[in-house]
Amino acid sequence: DTGVSQNPRHKITKRGQNVTFRCDPISEHNRLYWYRQTLGQGPEFLTYFQNEAQLEKSRLLSDRFSAERPKGSFSTLEIQRTEQGDSAMYLCASRPGESARTEAFFGQGTRLTVV
Amino acid sequence: AQKITQTQPGMFVQEKEAVTLDCTYDTSDPSYGLFWYKQPSSGEMIFLIYQGSYDQQNATEGRYSLNFQKARKSANLVISASQLGDSAMYFCAIFERGYQKVTFGIGTKLQVIP
Repeated sequence: DTGVSQNPRHKITKRGQNVTFRCDPISEHNRLYWYRQTLGQGPEFLTYFQNEAQLEKSRLLSDRFSAERPKGSFSTLEIQRTEQGDSAMYLCASRPGESARTEAFFGQGTRLTVV
Repeated sequence: AQKITQTQPGMFVQEKEAVTLDCTYDTSDPSYGLFWYKQPSSGEMIFLIYQGSYDQQNATEGRYSLNFQKARKSANLVISASQLGDSAMYFCAIFERGYQKVTFGIGTKLQVIP
């Protein structure tokens, strides 16, 4: 396993279009996280999964955003009716369990530009 | 209150010198981990070092060490013998076992001067 993989790396879309991003975590990791990072800021938590269950969603995750993790493996993040304010880097991370002793492993991110 | 506070938006350091990046945190969870990540301009988040809330000794990883002062709730990153490749954004983060998520600070931009 080579780590967390995100696709696509870059996405340019017109305002109002829907976009979907994919994250493949490290295979034995049961926790998967989505973050959004805008220029000059740290990553902001969006949502996380334990296996296939979505356990928490941030207030940042409006109704236009939806995330899934079918079968507890890969995850998708969909943004409907994109707005220019959605332009950001979307980061996915995975962890092996609930212990505080293990770092989150990050993918390389998907950079979204809404024009 | 912010869970992670990084008060230095930008830092400069001379090549081969040491530099300290500040981080303070706020939590009531007795079980937590503190992490530092490096983010170069390419965007990937690179894990550097970890400190657990119950660890008695300060963590070290090569040229990175963490100055952990639990009573003051600070977890400063020390980079020794800075290299040009250390120029990047550095993020302090906390994982609280009760919340099960990692919360990041706003980062410090480090620039190493030849």
